[in-house]
Formats: sequence, structure tokens, C-alpha cells
Amino acid sequence: DQQVKQNSPSLSVQEGRISILNCDYTNSMFDYFLWYKKYPAEGPTFLISISSIKDKNEDGRFTVFLNKSAKHLSLHIVPSQPGDSAVYFCAASNFGNEKLTFGTGTRLTIIP
Amino acid sequence: DAGITQSPRHKVTETGTPVTLRCHQTENHRYMYWYRQDPGHGLRLIHYSYGVKDTDKGEVSDGYSVSRSKTEDFLLTLESATSSQTSVYFCAIGTGGYGYTFGSGTRLTVV
Repeated sequence: DQQVKQNSPSLSVQEGRISILNCDYTNSMFDYFLWYKKYPAEGPTFLISISSIKDKNEDGRFTVFLNKSAKHLSLHIVPSQPGDSAVYFCAASNFGNEKLTFGTGTRLTIIP
Repeated sequence: DAGITQSPRHKVTETGTPVTLRCHQTENHRYMYWYRQDPGHGLRLIHYSYGVKDTDKGEVSDGYSVSRSKTEDFLLTLESATSSQTSVYFCAIGTGGYGYTFGSGTRLTVV
């Protein structure tokens, strides 16, 4: 049972435009959400997170939005840059459980 | 990240042979995890540890065992490797509330 889903395996965006990556979850107990970025031959690295008490968190070009009623979160990257080309994973956890549940990932390609 | 290293980085092994992957951390972190990454499946938890000698199963633990005799080392063993265990394996440290730091991964090929 996939509790965290990323329904778009891949996404291509022109450089300078907005990239929007989506993630859905089914477990209503999740209260903390994270995005990781992964380059080839490297481990995933933390990008941005959001707690369930918020609906938006911003860090430079990256903004994560959380819609708890829809059990949906999204990552916005604006403007997109070639270095943003990577695989992005969303992840979720709930208070008291140290394990993260990851989505299947979305490969983002920024077209120069 | 220098705080967590995995060895080996690459390994090719034959079906039926035992294989041990090592994760070493210098952060003195209590929690350690082993994940595998496969196309279409993302990152799936194999086993995790919440302290020395304290380990538990993740969602894809069949065919794998782990050991943690020291805080800094978390070993993943494939008792008898199968082709379905060809994957990229990642070790991580951290907690759900603060996120994880991942190692660089081990690419394992079972032929």
C-alpha cells in the first residue's frame, strides 16, 4: 500500500519558468512532510519541509504548499534553473515515528 | 556528507552468495536506516535501528538482516543474494521530525 504517491514520474520545464511537483498521501496521521532532491550517483539531500500546522513554507526559490483536507502537497520552484534537474522525492512522517515514508519520485528536467 | 559513509560503493556478486554492506557514521546518531531505491518504487525501507542491538523490520525486509554492535556502524546482510536484490542501497541517519542525512549509496548487482 503506497501511502505517499507521486503520480508524475517525469516533468520537463523550460528554464526560467515555474516547476510544480505534486505529492499525495493517504495516511491522515502524517504531520510532517519533506522534499528531497537526488542527483545521479549521489544520496538524496534534504530540500525543504513543512509541518501540518502550516500550509506554506518558503526557502528562496523553493516553496512547499500543504493542503491537509486534500492530503496533497506540492513543491514550487521558481525560476527553474538547469541545476534543478534531478529526481525529487516527497516524504512524510508522524509524530513519535522516526521512520520516513517516501514517494516514488519525479524526475525533473529543466530545458535550457 | 562526510558524516556518513557507505562501503563498498559498487559491488557485483553471484546469485546465492552472501553480501554485507556497511554504513558508518560519525554523528553519534541513535537512529539509522537502510533503504533501497528501485525504478517505479522510490525509496523503500528495509530495516532500521534505534540503538545498539535494537533493530526492526521495514516494509521490504525479506531476504535481509542487519546488525548494529556499535553506534557508528550499521551492517546490512543479504544472506543469499538473488537477482531481485539488484538495487541501489542507501543508508541514512536522522529522525522523522528533522529529516535524514543519506550516504552516497551502494550499487549492488547480482548476476
